[in-house]
Amino acid sequence: TQLLEQSPQFLSIQEGENLTVYCNSSSVFSSLQWYRQEPGEGPVLLVTVVTGGEVKKLKRLTFQFGDARKDSSLHITAAQPGDTGLYLCAGEGGNKLVFGAGTILRVKS
Amino acid sequence: GAVVSQHPSWVICKSGTSVKIECRSLDFQATTMFWYRQFPKQSLMLMATSNEGSKATYEQGVEKDKFLINHASLTLSTLTVTSAHPEDSSFYICSAIAAVGTDTQYFGPGTRLTVL
Repeated sequence: TQLLEQSPQFLSIQEGENLTVYCNSSSVFSSLQWYRQEPGEGPVLLVTVVTGGEVKKLKRLTFQFGDARKDSSLHITAAQPGDTGLYLCAGEGGNKLVFGAGTILRVKS
Repeated sequence: GAVVSQHPSWVICKSGTSVKIECRSLDFQATTMFWYRQFPKQSLMLMATSNEGSKATYEQGVEKDKFLINHASLTLSTLTVTSAHPEDSSFYICSAIAAVGTDTQYFGPGTRLTVL
């Protein structure tokens, strides 16, 4: 069974601070995706990383895929209250997505 | 493009009744749809994989007779929660993979089920 460990589970920071969310596994994934979900809504895809060592940037968000394609990180620079939400990583394996436990991010103004 | 809708967005029902949730791909055909369940402040747990024209594949621990899945067309999958009980109260989310193109899963907005 493929498992994804996501940390931290909860993060409360002040506006303007930086943060990093980690996603780790002992399994290799063909790709890894990051989602953001707001209460009462479905998850929205932020990015897909496919190649080991890949780095993708989306405005203030930087996503990295580990060289061995077993881990990934999401770094947010200068967090804003609008970044508040549940962040989920998901690894693709066998045409299924395996989700991490999620990180609840709260950015206070 | 790649919009997935769910209906209803929320439903409240009495214990013992059955509830049907629809998942539609609005602007693409989906050979495969997935049904997830999410409890408050928790992650998504895959319940089953629904393939058009064939029986759904259920994840371990998910009762197929309780959670009936029908994928009768390339744009519609339904999840029926039979004889619902309060412990079935949850947020149910579907996703769909396009018949043509990448394997990206496009998620619906979810359905909040509350069983009294």
